[in-house]
Amino acid sequence: RKEVEQDPGPFNVPEGATVAFNCTYSNSASQSFFWYRQDCRKEPKLLMSVYSSGNEDGRFTAQLNRASQYISLLIRDSKLSDSATYLCVVIPPLTGTASKLTFGTGTRLQVTL
Amino acid sequence: DAGITQSPRHKVTETGTPVTLRCHQTENHRYMYWYRQDPGHGLRLIHYSYGVKDTDKGEVSDGYSVSRSKTEDFLLTLESATSSQTSVYFCAISESDFQYTGELFFGEGSRLTVL
Repeated sequence: RKEVEQDPGPFNVPEGATVAFNCTYSNSASQSFFWYRQDCRKEPKLLMSVYSSGNEDGRFTAQLNRASQYISLLIRDSKLSDSATYLCVVIPPLTGTASKLTFGTGTRLQVTL
Repeated sequence: DAGITQSPRHKVTETGTPVTLRCHQTENHRYMYWYRQDPGHGLRLIHYSYGVKDTDKGEVSDGYSVSRSKTEDFLLTLESATSSQTSVYFCAISESDFQYTGELFFGEGSRLTVL
């Protein structure tokens, strides 16, 4: 089993729709989680952190489910500009340093008119 | 946007030739990283640096070396390029250890093709 797994998509949704992605992780002791956004042929950029209590930023909501070992990203009222690949990032326990953080392969979202 | 510049942005080279990618930052951040991104693999860490002349290996370091003689510059060298090193290479920086900030700032990437 991969350390971090994401459905590659693409998720094709109409403007205004609500869409959710999950990201599963294998190490139950992982301690920190993040979502990054990567536009086509561009660099990844931090979208938001994922806290145990959940995290909301405008139309975006990130949640952590430790029991089932996954994090989720919910996008409400999708915009064309949300079209991108969304990468989940997991930091394992023990070292907890950047040298060990793991990126998922990403889920591609395409928002259409 | 964070001041990170990668050069060259695109390069085509032949198997067996040496290649050096440069990452230059103007943020004075302590930590610098080199990643490669390939379809189906996501971003994988090649090497990272936690200070001038302080570097360590990442997940996929074989065939790569790095050097950091100044805070602002982090060089990635492929001593003898192979076709398996065809990839998009991203440099990243962080002010402190990633676990505390949760944020890496990435450069725009360098697309390398090894024929």
